[in-house]
Amino acid sequence: AQSVTQLDSQVPVFEEAPVELRCNYSSSVSVYLFWYVQYPNQGLQLLLKYLSGSTLVESINGFEAEFNKSQTSFHLRKPSVHISDTAEYFCAVSFHYNQGGKLIFGQGTELSVKP
Amino acid sequence: DTEVTQTPKHLVMGMTNKKSLKCEQHMGHRAMYWYKQKAKKPPELMFVYSYEKLSINESVPSRFSPECPNSSLLNLHLHALQPEDSALYLCASSQDLTSLDYEQYFGPGTRLTVT
Repeated sequence: AQSVTQLDSQVPVFEEAPVELRCNYSSSVSVYLFWYVQYPNQGLQLLLKYLSGSTLVESINGFEAEFNKSQTSFHLRKPSVHISDTAEYFCAVSFHYNQGGKLIFGQGTELSVKP
Repeated sequence: DTEVTQTPKHLVMGMTNKKSLKCEQHMGHRAMYWYKQKAKKPPELMFVYSYEKLSINESVPSRFSPECPNSSLLNLHLHALQPEDSALYLCASSQDLTSLDYEQYFGPGTRLTVT
């Protein structure tokens, strides 16, 4: 069965510090990997995704994630965070399920950026 | 237009009421989803429609009744709900269920409170 583990439920950091949000997955089949962000009282927005090709993927707002097949990880990093990055971050995997695809989400990591 | 819209934003209903949640997308997507999200938890998949046909029902109680009138619209009819059904209900869409890119676009959600 497929599963996603986000190792940290809460990550407090100071503004301009680097941050890493960890994500590990378990799957016996090929998967596609995603990071979604949810700002307070909003829906989920796709931050970045890995489907194939280069194992390092980047978002437009400075986040990056690296797919590591041997360690089954897809950690999210940012070298310098802003107050506005405060949000809930969900790692997700997508795989073939019945007639199509299904997203499995991790439990989420609450990133809290303090001034 | 990469937007999924949901109405209403907030809904308060009694346990004997009948109400409906609405979702709309104009991206030409042929797969649409309903999720339920409790506070500080990841979204839980409820239903998936593919080409206007119900594809996945994750053992959701019958007091939730989905409907897909056309390729752009998705409804969730609510009847005789319980207080524990209070949650954020998210709608999402994706290109279809068979393409390699399973990116789902989420709406802002409807915050439902059952009294």
